[in-house]
Amino acid sequence: GAVVSQHPSWVICKSGTSVKIECRSLDFQATTMFWYRQFPKQSLMLMATSNEGSKATYEQGVEKDKFLINHASLTLSTLTVTSAHPEDSSFYICSARDRGGEIQPQHFGDGTRLSIL
Amino acid sequence: AQSVTQLDSHVSVSEGTPVLLRCNYSSSYSPSLFWYVQHPNKGLQLLLKYTSAATLVKGINGFEAEFKKSETSFHLTKPSAHMSDAAEYFCVVRQTGFQKLVFGTGTRLLVSP
Repeated sequence: GAVVSQHPSWVICKSGTSVKIECRSLDFQATTMFWYRQFPKQSLMLMATSNEGSKATYEQGVEKDKFLINHASLTLSTLTVTSAHPEDSSFYICSARDRGGEIQPQHFGDGTRLSIL
Repeated sequence: AQSVTQLDSHVSVSEGTPVLLRCNYSSSYSPSLFWYVQHPNKGLQLLLKYTSAATLVKGINGFEAEFKKSETSFHLTKPSAHMSDAAEYFCVVRQTGFQKLVFGTGTRLLVSP
């Protein structure tokens, strides 16, 4: 149980294009989803917290107009990297938390490797 | 504010020998603590969690961790390493009342035959 599916797993695109990443909870309803960024050989950095039906809460230093987050249903959140540039290349990971509040652990997707040429 | 320190960036063991991955935390209030494992180009898998119940926590794949409040530690152990255990391990803290996870910098476990 508690499977989170992230798609696509790998994206290569030209500078200036926008890229959408999907995060789905397959067997549970996720009222809260989280988006992380991970640079090579580094830890995960929380970008934003996404609550179903409301605006995402962004961490300090994360541009909300650059990284658009939509959490329209209890099983789907999307992250759109707008007008992507090479410095946006990174490994993006989502996680989802089941209902039951903060005591529930976060379940992670397999990540999306984004490469901007 | 809470923080996590993973004392070793790399740990090397031989297959069949014990594993010890060290983690110290700092938290203003009662924390929840987690260990996650990440294999290359994959997301994170939860190994175990401590949420103020038993201080010795057993997880998947033979791993366990002990919460020691006096030492502010939550070290991860396994009696006998397998080759498949080679991965990156993250110690994570969450302060009670908050949903944000704070990650350690990770420890890469290398297992040799």
